[in-house]
Amino acid sequence: DTGVSQNPRHKITKRGQNVTFRCDPISEHNRLYWYRQTLGQGPEFLTYFQNEAQLEKSRLLSDRFSAERPKGSFSTLEIQRTEQGDSAMYLCASNQGLPYEQYFGPGTRLTVT
Amino acid sequence: AQKITQTQPGMFVQEKEAVTLDCTYDTSDQSYGLFWYKQPSSGEMIFLIYQGSYDEQNATEGRYSLNFQKARKSANLVISASQLGDSAMYFCAMRELAQGGSEKLVFGKGTKLTVNP
Repeated sequence: DTGVSQNPRHKITKRGQNVTFRCDPISEHNRLYWYRQTLGQGPEFLTYFQNEAQLEKSRLLSDRFSAERPKGSFSTLEIQRTEQGDSAMYLCASNQGLPYEQYFGPGTRLTVT
Repeated sequence: AQKITQTQPGMFVQEKEAVTLDCTYDTSDQSYGLFWYKQPSSGEMIFLIYQGSYDEQNATEGRYSLNFQKARKSANLVISASQLGDSAMYFCAMRELAQGGSEKLVFGKGTKLTVNP
C-alpha cells in the first residue's frame, strides 16, 4: 500500500497560464475526491469520481476547471487561464466506500503570480 | 447543507497532559459520520478517528478518543498524554451524501494545537 500520491508537489505559474495536476489513488480504491484548501481554512470539496464517472462538481469549480479520471485509475485536475485567486493547496483523496475515511495525498501547492 | 463549527482557533497544552478540541455539527440527516483529521505543517491530512451516528460507544484509537454527544450535536476530540509531535492543525469533518451517489467531506476551519515541552 503506497498511499495516495500527487504530482507536482509545488507549482508556480504566471497568471493566465494553464496548469495540470495528477493524483494517483490507492490502487484498490474506486472513489476519488479533489479538495482545495486556502490559507487558514479547512479543505473544500471540488469534485468526486466513482470509478471513471464524475458524479459531482462543486460550484467552486468554474468552467476554467476540469477534472478527469480515465479508466478509473489516476485523475488529473486542469486549471485554464489561472488567476491569483486559484493559489491554494489542491488535495486529492481516495477510498473504497467502506470504511468511510478518505485517505489524502500530500497535496499540490499552487502559487499564481 | 451540513455544517461543522470549530470555535477554538488555537489551543495550547503541556506535554503529557490531555487536551480536548471542540467540534459541533449541524445536520438534518439521521445517519451520518464524523471524522477528525490531523494536518502537520507538511500539509498532508492524516485520518485519526471516525464516529458513526448510530455507534453506541465513543470511538477510540490509541491516544485519541471522540466524545460524541448526539443530543448536543458535538463530537469533541480528546488527545491523552500529549506529545510534541501532536502539534498540528486538527480538522473535524462530516460525511455528506448527495443524490446520484455522490459523497464528500465537509470540514470545519480547524484548531491549531501547540504542545509545549
